[in-house]
Parts: sequence; structure tokens; C-alpha cells
Amino acid sequence: SSELTQDPAVSVALGQTVRITCQGDSLRSYYASWYQQKPGQAPVLVIYGKNNRPSGIPDRFSGSSSGNTASLTITGAQAEDEADYYCNSRDSSGNHPQFGGGTKLTVL
Amino acid sequence: EVQLVESGGGLVQPGGSLRLSCAASGFTFSSYDMHWVRQATGKGLEWVSAIGTAGDTYYPGSVKGRFTISRENAKNSLYLQMNSLRAGDTAVYYCARGRVDVDTSWFDPWGQGTLVTVSS
Repeated sequence: SSELTQDPAVSVALGQTVRITCQGDSLRSYYASWYQQKPGQAPVLVIYGKNNRPSGIPDRFSGSSSGNTASLTITGAQAEDEADYYCNSRDSSGNHPQFGGGTKLTVL
Repeated sequence: EVQLVESGGGLVQPGGSLRLSCAASGFTFSSYDMHWVRQATGKGLEWVSAIGTAGDTYYPGSVKGRFTISRENAKNSLYLQMNSLRAGDTAVYYCARGRVDVDTSWFDPWGQGTLVTVSS
């Protein structure tokens, strides 16, 4: 089982703000990275480090961290943001990467 | 354009072997750590292996001793040799470029994936 815990499903009304969280002890030492995955497609990096967006990722995506919890916030969610979102960090030993179980985001 | 293209997936019997390949382009392959990540149908992402620029390798307990990651920098290629395959290894296998900083790490980009099915 994953040492990073995510809510299985979250929903948001179109244009509203949603926060997707990831909990784990390793997050006290390491920032999470976040990935968006749409059906039938490979994951895409959306946030890494303290709050960095790769080129091409809209600025409505942002990241934050507090204690053992990392958060991905989408401000003004769009229909195209409907997807599975995965957090990633190191495991508790700090040696290996580890993914959260994923959160299915539904945009209503 | 930075690109990763996997190949080599297919149907294999339990106990069998398979070798996956990942062709990299658009970046200096030898300068980056590389990873394999898999995803069973309807399930989440699972890190499978990593190889550093110096050829150092890393595995989770679920595949250690059965899978071997390797790289051939002259061919800009990453490989995953999978032996003693089990039904639980059935998944889409992605290769991904890894990046590491002091207090974070990330995977970017990812290939499109190759499907491995272990079944009799």
C-alpha cells in the first residue's frame, strides 16, 4: 500500500476552486510533484518542487505544502481539467519514489 | 522536442520473460536518471525501477531480483528486462525522465506506454 494518501474522488463546479490533497510522512522533508492523467493517456507533470509549473501548464494550477500534507489547487476549474491526479514524493526512507493512490477529479 | 517512445510489450505466459525498450530523443540522454513506472488497468501508478547516470540501479521489493533496468547511452535507449513474470505484472509500462533537486524529485516527460499482459 502507498505511504502517500489521496482522496479517491473529488468534484468541483465549473469555474470554482478545488484543492486535491496528498498526505504522508515523507512530505515533511520532500516537496511533492503532481501529475494529471486523462483516460488512455500518459501522465503529465503539472507541478513540481515548492510551486513550479512546467512550460505549457496553465497558471490556474498551483501547489503548496504544510506539515505532512501537499496540495494541488486548481483555481477556476475548466472542463478539460477533469482527470486523475497523482502526487509523488520519496518513500519514508527517502530512497525510492512513491505515488499516491490518485484522485479522480470530476468537473460538474 | 523531448520524446520517449516505448516498445516491446505483448502477451507472455506466467514465468516467462520480456524486454522493454525506450527510445529517447531531444535531450542529452546520458545526463539524466531514467525510470520505469507501471499502471495496471484501472489502478494507480507504481514506480518499478530507476537507473542513474552512473549506471546505479534501484528497485522496489515487488520486482527486485526479477527485473533489471539498463541503459545504452550511445543508442539513447533505456531497457527493462523482466523475468519470472506473474499475472500481477500485467500493466502499461511507462518510461520517464527523472529529475532530482535537494528537496524534491519529478518525472518529465513520460512515454506513451507499452502494454504487458501476463496470461496463459
